[in-house]
Amino acid sequence: DTAVSQTPKYLVTQMGNDKSIKCEQNLGHDTMYWYKQDSKKFLKIMFSYNNKELIINETVPNRFSPKSPDKAHLNLHINSLELGDSAVYFCASSQESGTYNEQFFGPGTRLTVL
Amino acid sequence: SQKIEQNSEALNIQEGKTATLTCNYTNYSPAYLQWYRQDPGRGPVFLLLIRENEKEKRKERLKVTFDTTLKQSLFHITASQPADSATYLCALERNSGYALNFGKGTSLLVTP
Repeated sequence: DTAVSQTPKYLVTQMGNDKSIKCEQNLGHDTMYWYKQDSKKFLKIMFSYNNKELIINETVPNRFSPKSPDKAHLNLHINSLELGDSAVYFCASSQESGTYNEQFFGPGTRLTVL
Repeated sequence: SQKIEQNSEALNIQEGKTATLTCNYTNYSPAYLQWYRQDPGRGPVFLLLIRENEKEKRKERLKVTFDTTLKQSLFHITASQPADSATYLCALERNSGYALNFGKGTSLLVTP
């Protein structure tokens, strides 16, 4: 069984479009995250949710809006896509935020904005 | 500002040798440090966590050291194998908590 899953795996779209990425974890974790990995492979935190509540919004443009309908899901909606949004987006989860818990990552969604 | 620095250049070693990767950090007071492995096209996978009061941690062929005075962690893979080829990421909890900051990673290539 996949622990953290994301859909779609690949997303190619035009500038100005709106798109969503879905994430689900079946680990029973309380905390979920979205990370962005740019072309230089730098992995950077975007958002963190704990028990469906937003904890971290790391100066991400408000075109990005995370939504957590329940503890097992954290979706990412992006409005008015820009070229600079092209990257790989990873969803992750952990038992609790921070503390001494490892994070489990999804397979990533490669977003290409043309 | 908080920084995590890892060898930016790829590390090439011969099979059977020990690989040593370095993680240096500034402006952190970490209670722990984590190491992850990332293969091309995949998400990072957790390897080891070491706490501030632990000098060394081992898991099979992996060994991690943590020196909070030097602000450095070393990650060793002994008897390296081609299957160990991947990018290795060092991670620390942000001072504000609730999430990890990652280094840029070091690419390791183990050749037969």
